Amino acid sequence: GQQVMQIPQYQHVQEGEDFTTYCNSSTTLSNIQWYKQRPGGHPVFLIQLVKSGEVKKQKRLTFQFGEAKKNSSLHITATQTTDVGTYFCADSGGSNYKLTFGKGTLLTVNP
Amino acid sequence: GAGVSQTPSNKVTEKGKYVELRCDPISGHTALYWYRQSLGQGPEFLIYFQGTGAADDSGLPNDRFFAVRPEGSVSTLKIQRTERGDSAVYLCASSLRGEPLHFGNGTRLTVT
Repeated sequence: GQQVMQIPQYQHVQEGEDFTTYCNSSTTLSNIQWYKQRPGGHPVFLIQLVKSGEVKKQKRLTFQFGEAKKNSSLHITATQTTDVGTYFCADSGGSNYKLTFGKGTLLTVNP
Repeated sequence: GAGVSQTPSNKVTEKGKYVELRCDPISGHTALYWYRQSLGQGPEFLIYFQGTGAADDSGLPNDRFFAVRPEGSVSTLKIQRTERGDSAVYLCASSLRGEPLHFGNGTRLTVT
């Protein structure tokens, strides 16, 4: 089935540094959703990307969908300690309910 | 309540026992989902309900797993003859049709 690869697995940054996580697939992705899971918490929906080349921003977060719809990225500018958590991308496979999640990128921020 | 509620939050059981995990979705959400998350992994799809019926149960690992949603609201995930490999966090989510998923805090199942 569809596999979604995420890199890096872990990222440790100093507060104020930027952070990027990448989501890749060997096949065309339908829609990409991004979730954040705080330590001990549950995944929380951040955004959905649908169109090829789409770019969306939420304050310090920038989400991109590749032109070929085979990759996506999440970039955080000037990280804060509140950004700590695991960021997951998920492919909806066109269904919107049967999400295929990547393994996530665990972000830690040193104050 | 404001969010998806799952009970119990933690469940420890012995290998071979039967367990039930409960999910109370957000009021008015017609769609309900069960996912399973192992340590260091992303959530893995198990089953999806639209109303009372299981619209897609293709993610259930085997016939020891079963889920119901008899009145289109609360759902119960049932696991028979539990195995140590069933240990994971079981996440429930709900949504309006076509809208993003709202996850609960999960039930951490440990099979000893």
